Amino acid sequence: GENVEQHPSTLSVQEGDSAVIKCTYSDSASNYFPWYKQELGKRPQLIIDIRSNVGEKKDQRIAVTLNKTAKHFSLHITETQPEDSAVYFCAASKRAGGTSYGKLTFGQGTILTVHP
Amino acid sequence: DGGITQSPKYLFRKEGQNVTLSCEQNLNHDAMYWYRQDPGQGLRLIYYSQIVNDFQKGDIAEGYSVSREKKESFPLTVTSAQKNPTAFYLCASSIHNLGYTFGSGTRLTVV
Repeated sequence: GENVEQHPSTLSVQEGDSAVIKCTYSDSASNYFPWYKQELGKRPQLIIDIRSNVGEKKDQRIAVTLNKTAKHFSLHITETQPEDSAVYFCAASKRAGGTSYGKLTFGQGTILTVHP
Repeated sequence: DGGITQSPKYLFRKEGQNVTLSCEQNLNHDAMYWYRQDPGQGLRLIYYSQIVNDFQKGDIAEGYSVSREKKESFPLTVTSAQKNPTAFYLCASSIHNLGYTFGSGTRLTVV
């Protein structure tokens, strides 16, 4: 089955700096890669996703890049703010059939702390 | 107000007891999932269902059981065979390629 590795496990940055979290996946058939943010005691929330026909996607201060050849994808957060502090999870899945995507396999998570 | 609801928020289980966690969604999503979250281990898949009356084991199904009798509901039973059930349990649903919507979770503690 799919295996997703996420690094680093913890990341500490100063407010205004950039943060980068990297994930690698094992199944070359995977074609959907979402990122989730989980604040303390709350549910994970989808913040951005990318599909395998795209190399990069941006949404304001957040961007995700995908390298299918190397089987890795990364989350980039620019101009970090204290409210970006949370646990971030990457995930991967492949199309199960029709237009539906299959089950997600998650990375181990990265605890991001942004210091004011 | 559409969403996915998990109950209870906190649950305490005695040794040897079965407990059932509820998950209900009104998003008309076809697929539903149960994940277990432990510190430092991310989210691990317990069971999932992509259609009513059908479900598949995930990576850590031992000691758990599920049913999917209605599209809206996907309850998870933690049986006495699960030796280390203390964890945070998350239910999710999805449709097509829109990613998961998660419930707010149930924190289960063995007492």
